[in-house]
Amino acid sequence: NAGVTQTPKFRVLKTGQSMTLLCAQDMNHEYMYWYRQDPGMGLRLIHYSVGEGTTAKGEVPDGYNVSRLKKQNFLLGLESAAPSQTSVYFCASSYAVQGSAPLHFGNGTRLTVT
Amino acid sequence: AQTVTQSQPEMSVQEAETVTLSCTYDTSESDYYLFWYKQPPSRQMILVIRQEAYKQQNATENRFSVNFQKAAKSFSLKISDSQLGDAAMYFCAYRSGQGAQKLVFGQGTRLTINP
Repeated sequence: NAGVTQTPKFRVLKTGQSMTLLCAQDMNHEYMYWYRQDPGMGLRLIHYSVGEGTTAKGEVPDGYNVSRLKKQNFLLGLESAAPSQTSVYFCASSYAVQGSAPLHFGNGTRLTVT
Repeated sequence: AQTVTQSQPEMSVQEAETVTLSCTYDTSESDYYLFWYKQPPSRQMILVIRQEAYKQQNATENRFSVNFQKAAKSFSLKISDSQLGDAAMYFCAYRSGQGAQKLVFGQGTRLTINP
C-alpha cells in the first residue's frame, strides 16, 4: 500500500528558479491538501482541493500555484522561488464525508531556497 | 477562523512516567473533530488519537488518552508509562465538520523522554 507519495524528497533551488512538487495518492480520496511546516509554527495550509479539477486557497497561498487534473494527483508549483519558501512541504489526503477520518500524510519534501 | 494553541514548546518526562500535553482551540462551531498527531524524527505524521466533539466520553488508545473539555475548549493529551519511542513532536489539530474540513494545527510540542 503506497498511500500518499511525494516527490522529490529533497530539493535545493536558487532564488528565482521554479519547480513542481508532485503528490500522488492511491486511496481514491476526494480531498487533498498541501501544507508547509516551519519551526514554531506548526503546519500551515497552502492550498487544497475538494475534487478533481477544483482548487482553493488556504492560509498561506502567496507564491504557490496548484493543479488537480486527475483525482489521484495534486501538484504544487513555485514559479519564482524565494528564500522565505524554504520549508518542509507535506501533502495529505482524506475522504470527503467523514470529518473524523484522519488525514493521510506523505513523508514530506524538504525544500531549501538559496 | 479557528485557531489552535499549544502553549508548551517543549516538555520532558522520565521513562515510565506520565506526561500531559496541553492544547486549546477557538471556534464558534458545534460540529468539529480534534486530533493529536505525532511526528518522530523520520518526519512522518502519525495519528495518535481523535475525538468527536459530539461525544462526551474521552477517547483512549492504549497508553494515550485525552481530556476533552468542550466548554473550556481544551483538548489535552495524556501519555501514560512513557516510552523512549514516544519522543517526538506532537501536534494538536482541529477539523471542522463543515465544508472542506481543513485541518488546523497548533504550533507543536517537542516531547523528550529521559531514560
